[in-house]
Amino acid sequence: AQTVTQSQPEMSVQEAETVTLSCTYDTSESDYYLFWYKQPPSRQMILVIRQEAYKQQNATENRFSVNFQKAAKSFSLKISDSQLGDAAMYFCAYPGSGNTGKLIFGQGTTLQVKP
Amino acid sequence: DTGVSQNPRHKITKRGQNVTFRCDPISEHNRLYWYRQTLGQGPEFLTYFQNEAQLEKSRLLSDRFSAERPKGSFSTLEIQRTEQGDSAMYLCASSRQGSQPQHFGDGTRLSIL
Repeated sequence: AQTVTQSQPEMSVQEAETVTLSCTYDTSESDYYLFWYKQPPSRQMILVIRQEAYKQQNATENRFSVNFQKAAKSFSLKISDSQLGDAAMYFCAYPGSGNTGKLIFGQGTTLQVKP
Repeated sequence: DTGVSQNPRHKITKRGQNVTFRCDPISEHNRLYWYRQTLGQGPEFLTYFQNEAQLEKSRLLSDRFSAERPKGSFSTLEIQRTEQGDSAMYLCASSRQGSQPQHFGDGTRLSIL
């Protein structure tokens, strides 16, 4: 079965510091995308960053970057210079098999940012 | 880009009643997805449309659930004879063809009394 695992239910970071959220996944596919989504409390889920598996270079979006280890099936999210607005639940997601694009989500990591 | 719109935002109903939710995707997106999210968990896939065709349904989607996308634009998700276990946030997402990222709506929160 295809699974996505986020082993950190909760994380906390001091404002302006750096935090890393971990994610592992299981797939037999060779070419795929991986996503990190952010869901603030009672607000819309939004895409944070996307990684293409065939690209060796780790994706970066401003303060957000990933550490993608394809062989280890690991896809962690690093948030630099954390801001209060980064407080949210973060989900790692992977498209299931087939060509539907449906996403399989991890259990989520709740990130608290302390002022 | 007006975003994905879902209505209603909240629905409270008694057990056994039928409910219907609506999703209006981003206009140029031909793929539409429904997910269910319970408190503190990640969303779980329910069903997927490409244009008006419903191409995949999860085993989570019992026969009390039905979804339509009649003209390939908006979609409805109906739950018949609601049960306590149906209480959840129902999320709609849309995307372009291929591996383009999905854009999510605000969701409809369903509470069963």
